Amino acid sequence: DIQMTQSPSSLSASVGDRVTITCRASQSISSFLNWYRQKPGKAPKLLIYAASNLQSGVPSRFSGSGSGTDFTLAISNLQPEDFATYYCQQSYSTPITFGQGTRLEIK
Amino acid sequence: EVQLLESGGGLVQPGGSLTLSCAASGFSFSVYAMGWVRQAPGKGLEWVSIISHSGGSRYYADSVKGRFTISRDNSRDTLYLQMNSLRDVDTAVYFCVRADPPYYYDREYFFENWGQGTLVTVSS
Repeated sequence: DIQMTQSPSSLSASVGDRVTITCRASQSISSFLNWYRQKPGKAPKLLIYAASNLQSGVPSRFSGSGSGTDFTLAISNLQPEDFATYYCQQSYSTPITFGQGTRLEIK
Repeated sequence: EVQLLESGGGLVQPGGSLTLSCAASGFSFSVYAMGWVRQAPGKGLEWVSIISHSGGSRYYADSVKGRFTISRDNSRDTLYLQMNSLRDVDTAVYFCVRADPPYYYDREYFFENWGQGTLVTVSS
């Protein structure tokens, strides 16, 4: 199985800041990497698919990059609704696997 | 508007069985693979299972293989998850998900649409 490791596990930031979250795969997954945001008590929401494609309706302050084993989610101009938990997910091979999550908190 | 509505969750004793349902609407159900993702209390997301658009191919996480069965009824636009031999560690919110793009089921897909989730609690 492909292991997905996110870093950091948690971080604190302020409204208006820019943050980056990284995701590393245990083997190459080409560009088959997706990012989700989950607010407490809610279902996850797709932000980025295939490493760098912004899902329709998602604000342009979100961006994704990377290929192979190393990927990054960047969020600029943080808004109050962005303080949540973020997950990466590989879809290169079954079983599909998620990262352990990165909790973004308000400083 | 795409809607996925799960039902069937509840409290069950260890070793018991439960069947979850997911009623889909707002899209052509029969052209999309469908799946289940779960989340234990306070934990991260875990992919459970996926079934191809026709129902001819199914995949399971090792943690549920042999105990859970995914199925679908394209005439009723409904997805199911039959869960047997339930264990404490199966306690989680179970989300119904649609795999995009259409027809993809074994790789290269993403989950654009999620249900609200149904809680399964396995406890004596």
